Amino acid sequence: NAGVTQTPKFRILKIGQSMTLQCTQDMNHNYMYWYRQDPGMGLKLIYYSVGAGITDKGEVPNGYNVSRSTTEDFPLRLELAAPSQTSVYFCASRPLGAGAKGQFFGPGTRLTVL
Amino acid sequence: GQSLEQPSEVTAVEGAIVQINCTYQTSGFYGLSWYQQHDGGAPTFLSYNALDGLEETGRFSSFLSRSDSYGYLLLQELQMKDSASYFCAVRERGDSNYQLIWGAGTKLIIKP
Repeated sequence: NAGVTQTPKFRILKIGQSMTLQCTQDMNHNYMYWYRQDPGMGLKLIYYSVGAGITDKGEVPNGYNVSRSTTEDFPLRLELAAPSQTSVYFCASRPLGAGAKGQFFGPGTRLTVL
Repeated sequence: GQSLEQPSEVTAVEGAIVQINCTYQTSGFYGLSWYQQHDGGAPTFLSYNALDGLEETGRFSSFLSRSDSYGYLLLQELQMKDSASYFCAVRERGDSNYQLIWGAGTKLIIKP
């Protein structure tokens, strides 16, 4: 299993540009998450999904959109990029069940908006 | 409001024992998780406590006191590879549709 994969690894955007961060998991996990991590900080939840076709906002959803058309894929869309969106973005997944203890993370996408 | 407090940085010597504390104030509480993150890497799950007491996994142990809203991660026989940031995260709900509330992380510096 590849686990959780993210592309691209790095990206520089100009203000106002748009892009999609890709996330794929091959563990058949129902739950998927998008986080952002600013330097020296913990993770902030942007959006999450409990299964294909179902998404919901997290703590910091403004400026982002998501979709979940399949169990495997959970892309994050940035519209009209702003410098405040410069961050490291992590995708994570976990299996169904209240007993599932840990989330599995992808390697991250480092985004700079100039 | 919701908050998790952990020290920003801890320094220890190779071979020693170190404890990283976490106090939390959240609207609900179901369990406390610990994650490790090396510089430039992704968080990886270390441990989870839902009940009071100590959970041991090899050189790492995690403790929880629900009455004190407090937990800690204990690392024994420190190795240079343990140099990383450690995050505590609270699970507020007991059902499947839970999210985690994350602390800001503790950077562990290990000296030879």
